[in-house]
Amino acid sequence: GNSVTQMEGPVTLSEEAFLTINCTYTATGYPSLFWYVQYPGEGLQLLLKATKADDKGSNKGFEATYRKETTSFHLEKGSVQVSDSAVYFCALTRNTGGFKTIFGAGTRLFVKA
Amino acid sequence: SQTIHQWPATLVQPVGSPLSLECTVEGTSNPNLYWYRQAAGRGLQLLFYSVGIGQISSEVPQNLSASRPQDRQFILSSKKLLLSDSGFYLCAYRDKRNYGYTFGSGTRLTVV
Repeated sequence: GNSVTQMEGPVTLSEEAFLTINCTYTATGYPSLFWYVQYPGEGLQLLLKATKADDKGSNKGFEATYRKETTSFHLEKGSVQVSDSAVYFCALTRNTGGFKTIFGAGTRLFVKA
Repeated sequence: SQTIHQWPATLVQPVGSPLSLECTVEGTSNPNLYWYRQAAGRGLQLLFYSVGIGQISSEVPQNLSASRPQDRQFILSSKKLLLSDSGFYLCAYRDKRNYGYTFGSGTRLTVV
């Protein structure tokens, strides 16, 4: 079946540190991959996406590359800010039928000033 | 522009009472619509999705049901709530512009 596994949190970093949140997936076919971010008490917001192998998604300084050979989609940012503190979800969408999306368990990030 | 509205924002209901959560979408037609539940500190569980009016697919058999009476309206219901129904309920639609989901702001349901 399809699944998404991401590193457990919480991840605690100092401001301006480098961020990596690992994500691997299992899927049949060729899914699209996404990172979503959730701030406290809110719904999820799409952060970035990649729809095919070797695509790099990027937004607000965050990046992730769709690696089919390692079935991974790791999230990176070169210099985090306090405002990046949130929960990050890796997700895959099967490009068939109802375009259902499967989410990882989420990784909470704390950034200290 | 496309927007999604979800209400109420918070709800406290006694065990055994009924539930109705509503979600509406503006600025798009014939969207795919989804209901997810997020338990405290955990990931998202897909409950229902709909690809059109009156078309509902259930992902997890449970105490809840969903309906889509209009193209841009999606309703989550229960006849009798259980304690285990507590959680954060999120409605979403698939955004054809960016292939991802756009989520509503969520409803925090506490069953007491």
